[in-house]
Amino acid sequence: GQNIDQPTEMTATEGAIVQINCTYQTSGFNGLFWYQQHAGEAPTFLSYNVLDGLEEKGRFSSFLSRSKGYSYLLLKELQMKDSASYLCAVVDSNYQLIWGAGTKLIIKP
Amino acid sequence: DVKVTQSSRYLVKRTGEKVFLECVQDMDHENMFWYRQDPGLGLRLIYFSYDVKMKEKGDIPEGYSVSREKKERFSLILESASTNQTSMYLCASSLWTTGANVLTFGAGSRLTVL
Repeated sequence: GQNIDQPTEMTATEGAIVQINCTYQTSGFNGLFWYQQHAGEAPTFLSYNVLDGLEEKGRFSSFLSRSKGYSYLLLKELQMKDSASYLCAVVDSNYQLIWGAGTKLIIKP
Repeated sequence: DVKVTQSSRYLVKRTGEKVFLECVQDMDHENMFWYRQDPGLGLRLIYFSYDVKMKEKGDIPEGYSVSREKKERFSLILESASTNQTSMYLCASSLWTTGANVLTFGAGSRLTVL
């Protein structure tokens, strides 16, 4: 079967760095998305990786290793507004999205 | 900015009632989707549509139907609501019908079935 694993919850301190991991086992691979979802709000697009390596976008970076079935989202200089759930989703061989359950990130002052 | 608007943020319905959830997008996107989001589970696809009057079943279509009479509007219908359909429902749209697409989501409709 297809499976996406990410930690349920993480806690970090304002100003620090946090890495949210996502491992996947899917039938085929056509890219990996990260979305951010604040409580009670719509998920919003953060990043898309289809090739191995690190993509940096301001304070947020996303890394992909296709051979290891692994991605992470790196958040630097954490701010209170970064408290949210972070959703990992893989595009399978049929271009269907397979979603992880999300990681709830709690930022403490 | 693309906007996806879901008409109802919160609904409370009784078992057996017919429920309509409406979704409208304003950027001429081809694809529209309905997901449900439950605690501890990833988003689960109910139905999607890649064109007017076209619909495809997702992973959990049982108990639901959809309608897409106009390109911008995609409705989710619960013919006879049951308590296990209490959930957050998310509508989304994407531009292309091929490839990996960024989804734009609505804010969600939280449905409680009593």
